Amino acid sequence: DAKTTQPNSMESNEEEPVHLPCNHSTISGTDYIHWYRQLPSQGPEYVIHGLTSNVNNRMASLAIAEDRKSSTLILHRATLRDAAVYYCIPLNYGGSQGNLIFGKGTKLSVKP
Amino acid sequence: DAGVIQSPRHEVTEMGQEVTLRCKPISGHDYLFWYRQTMMRGLELLIYFNNNVPIDDSGMPEDRFSAKMPNASFSTLKIQPSEPRDSAVYFCASSFPGLYGYTFGSGTRLTVV
Repeated sequence: DAKTTQPNSMESNEEEPVHLPCNHSTISGTDYIHWYRQLPSQGPEYVIHGLTSNVNNRMASLAIAEDRKSSTLILHRATLRDAAVYYCIPLNYGGSQGNLIFGKGTKLSVKP
Repeated sequence: DAGVIQSPRHEVTEMGQEVTLRCKPISGHDYLFWYRQTMMRGLELLIYFNNNVPIDDSGMPEDRFSAKMPNASFSTLKIQPSEPRDSAVYFCASSFPGLYGYTFGSGTRLTVV
């Protein structure tokens, strides 16, 4: 399984953009990069995923480096509700469903 | 859809007792996963099923733990006998093959005293 490196914690001000980095230098060519978040006292929640191209959805944007050794989750305007632990997870589907293996993630604090 | 439903939300039991955690996955999802979360070890994958068949149980800590999926809409995780070190939040998740995200339940907080 590819290893990931994320900062233990980050702080942001409300309504400002947040860039959450993730290094995954051992990622294989067929690994998708998934991001999940876990709000306090809740189960993890899917945020976004991508393979090579940058991706956007209603929650966030995902910027993937050209060499795929790193990626950045972008929250365009942080809200208090975005305070959570964010996990970057390489996932290889292969011929079947891959398994989500969680690391320690980045704990994001959002200040009003 | 009501999402992945887990019961009970909280369980307090005495050491040595049997504990059964329950999960109803999202209809149509072919994969079901059981995770455990503690402060020390984070989120750990215990076991997962595909089409009701256990595929990988290498994360199950020991023989005291067992999981079943008798049909596509129900799974159980059983601990017998329970020990204080089993205290954790247990999450169930389901997914559909392909490029879709996993959906997690709200978890069961287990306390063994």
